[in-house]
This record gives sequence, structure tokens and C-alpha cells, in this order.
Amino acid sequence: AQSVTQPDIHITVSEGASLELRCNYSYGATPYLFWYVQSPGQGLQLLLKYFSGDTLVQGIKGFEAEFKRSQSSFNLRKPSVHWSDAAEYFCAVGTSGTYKYIFGTGTRLKVLA
Amino acid sequence: EAGVTQFPSHSVIEKGQTVTLRCDPISGHDNLYWYRRVMGKEIKFLLHFVKESKQDESGMPNNRFLAERTGGTYSTLKVQPAELEDSGVYFCASSQGSGNTIYFGEGSWLTVV
Repeated sequence: AQSVTQPDIHITVSEGASLELRCNYSYGATPYLFWYVQSPGQGLQLLLKYFSGDTLVQGIKGFEAEFKRSQSSFNLRKPSVHWSDAAEYFCAVGTSGTYKYIFGTGTRLKVLA
Repeated sequence: EAGVTQFPSHSVIEKGQTVTLRCDPISGHDNLYWYRRVMGKEIKFLLHFVKESKQDESGMPNNRFLAERTGGTYSTLKVQPAELEDSGVYFCASSQGSGNTIYFGEGSWLTVV
């Protein structure tokens, strides 16, 4: 069955610390991978996406993610977290021509001043 | 350029009542989608419109939910009668093509009491 797993429901980091949010997927076809963020009172904003090519993807707000096919992972990273990064982060997977994204359950990030 | 807009942003209704959610997609986007996230679960696909036609409504939970997109512009999602388990966030999204990146709105937060 197709699925996306975000094993960390909550993560707390100090401002300025590095961040890595985990995402593992199970998908039969070649996946398209996405990270979305939902800040308090806001909608889902696309951070970055991977379709093909370079497996290290740069996104907005200083985020990056690395696609590792052998590990079925697409972890999100940021070298130095800002207080404004406190939000909920969702990993999603789709495939070419599809609109039925499969989402993980989300990871809520708390940033300590 | 305006993004996907949804109304109302928040709604509290009693069990058995009716609620209608509205979505205005990004201008020029023929593809419109509804997703929802119920109480801490993952975000799940509900249905897909191409212009005014329903292409896929396989994610609609039951016949209490009715989605329309008259004229191929804005869409409405009606829940009638609402049940407690319908509480959650209803996201609308749009894209230019069905295989392109999907852009989400801020969501309509529904609470059924």
C-alpha cells in the first residue's frame, strides 16, 4: 500500500540550531516528492519538490531536502532554524500525472528562543 | 496574483446542520481539488474537478458531501447533515494541469458540536 511516514509528531529545537525532519515513503511508481508547511493560521505552502535530476533539492526559506531512493526517504533540512519556522510540516508523495497526493501525518516544529 | 482563497476560514455548527464551504482557485487554473484533514490525521484527497466536470470523487467519504463547480470557476463543498466526525480542516487546491504542482488554500476549519 502506498504510504508516507513522518515518524516525529513533535520536534523542538533551539533557534539557530540545525533541523532535520524525516520522511519515508512507500510508493510503487517513481515518486514525485513534496514538502509543505502550514504556519499558524495559514494555508499549506509549498517548500520544495523533487521530480527528477539532482537528488538534493533547494527550496524556499533556506530549506533543502535530499531524495535517497535506496532508503525511500526525503528528509527536510535547514542549517539554522529561525523562530518563524515554527509550524507544521507535511511530506507528500505523488507521481507523474497524478493529483492524489499522499500526505504524512505531519511534524509540528517548536522553536525555542 | 491571488492564491487559492477559501471561505469561511472557520465555522462552528451543530450536528445535523448544513455547512457550505467555498473555494476560489488561482485564476486560469482549470484543475481544482478538495482535500481534508480530520483531527490529527493525514491530509486526504476528496475530489478533483477539471473545469466544471468531476474527474475523480473517489475520496468523498459519503453522500452527505456534495461538491459543485458551476461554470468552472469557484467551487462549493456542502456537508449535509454534518456529523461530529466531519470536524477538521478542508483544503482547496488548484493547478494548471492535473500533473502539475498543486497550490493549496488556507483551509476552512470546520467544527461540528
